[in-house]
Amino acid sequence: QIQLVQSGPELKKPGESVKISCKASGYTFTDYAMHWVKQAPGKGLKWMGWINTYTGKPTYADDFKGRFVFSLEASASTANLQISNLKNEDTATYFCARYNLYFDYWGQGVMVTVSS
Amino acid sequence: DIVLTQSPALAVSLGQRATISCRASQSVSTSSYNLMHWYQQKPGQQPKLLIYDASNLASSIPARFSGSGSGTDFTLTINPVQADDIATYYCQQSRELPLTFGSGTKLEIK
Repeated sequence: QIQLVQSGPELKKPGESVKISCKASGYTFTDYAMHWVKQAPGKGLKWMGWINTYTGKPTYADDFKGRFVFSLEASASTANLQISNLKNEDTATYFCARYNLYFDYWGQGVMVTVSS
Repeated sequence: DIVLTQSPALAVSLGQRATISCRASQSVSTSSYNLMHWYQQKPGQQPKLLIYDASNLASSIPARFSGSGSGTDFTLTINPVQADDIATYYCQQSRELPLTFGSGTKLEIK
């Protein structure tokens, strides 16, 4: 069955970096783009951007340009999200989602807490 | 950006019909597709795809969920509402980048 399994929760201090992973299984990884979605505590869903899993080219939403990097370990069917220079407002759950012109499969989410 | 507007909350009695609306700031339809999709999210869980392309039921989703609409106005209907349907429902458009979500409608039991 198709699964997206994300890494575990993270507790970081402001200014630190974090890298979270999303391992896909049950389908050909390079056939579908992987997108990232942010959900701040008690808030709605916000699209962050996506990575072409065939070429590795990332595309970022305007609010996520600069400190956010999408990458791949294609041989491991894994997509990664790295956030540098963490700020308090980065505290959120981050989801990866497979894109099929809609998000048909989602990871379980990674809670990132930024606190001094 | 395409803004999707949803009502914040809806209270419905068990066994009744729930109608959740989503209005887009511009059309999300093409000549072939209505690029609006619906998700259900329960607390502490990831969103789950319910309806894609406005009216197509996703795999394993019960037939009490249905979707309709085109252009700028879309509706998710749950009939009859069951206790397990308590969740927040989001619409999402894929007509153009950036992809956008509605702010969510929280379904409550009256």
